[in-house]
Amino acid sequence: QSALTQPRSVSGSPGQSVTLSCTGTKSDVDSHNSVSWYQQHPGNAPKLVIYDVTKRPSGVPDRFSGSKSGNTASLTISGLQAEDEADYYCCSYAGNYDWVFGGGTKLTVL
Amino acid sequence: QVTLKESGPVLVRPTETLTLTCSVSGFSLSNGGMGVSWIRQPPGKALEWLAHIFSNDEKSYNTSVKTRLSISKDTYKSQVVLSMTNMDPVDTGTYYCARLLGYKYGDPFEYWGPGILVTVSS
Repeated sequence: QSALTQPRSVSGSPGQSVTLSCTGTKSDVDSHNSVSWYQQHPGNAPKLVIYDVTKRPSGVPDRFSGSKSGNTASLTISGLQAEDEADYYCCSYAGNYDWVFGGGTKLTVL
Repeated sequence: QVTLKESGPVLVRPTETLTLTCSVSGFSLSNGGMGVSWIRQPPGKALEWLAHIFSNDEKSYNTSVKTRLSISKDTYKSQVVLSMTNMDPVDTGTYYCARLLGYKYGDPFEYWGPGILVTVSS
């Protein structure tokens, strides 16, 4: 199973909105609404911020939102804040009793 | 309060077998409980899902390393164990255990342990 494709880096200024993309295939992202997103600060374990494409776990600000179109999922962060600077990973059910992660995007808040 | 914590050797030699233990609390590994996965991350690189075990003992593995992996659980000890044979320096990285939010394949990883950094070197 090949990793999902994410841009290596994205940047934005405080208060702006940024959108991170995650491209898979017909077998994973396109076929299942089981896309999740994880935020990882340096030295820490990943934290779930979006699941089932659009759902937010309790405690995650509503500035975080998710969507999907075909084989591409997206994470949008609005009202960008300094603490949003982190690595972000998408993950999808891969269709064969397995999960597949993306290569990760480094978000820089300018 | 749900917690997970990884333990095991921090240094292994090439060709050796790595055995890691994930000790959990706040939920049960018995039938009807949530499942636990192992996920790893080489230094500066992306996350990679390795293996999963459900409460009914159903198991699944990443096909790229399937022949080297074995996952099991001890319900009474509240532990999930991962074994990986024939370790190589490319297997160096942080190994995480994580619990699913739900009960099925594709459900997200809601709770994570802090991870354990394993170095493979002679």
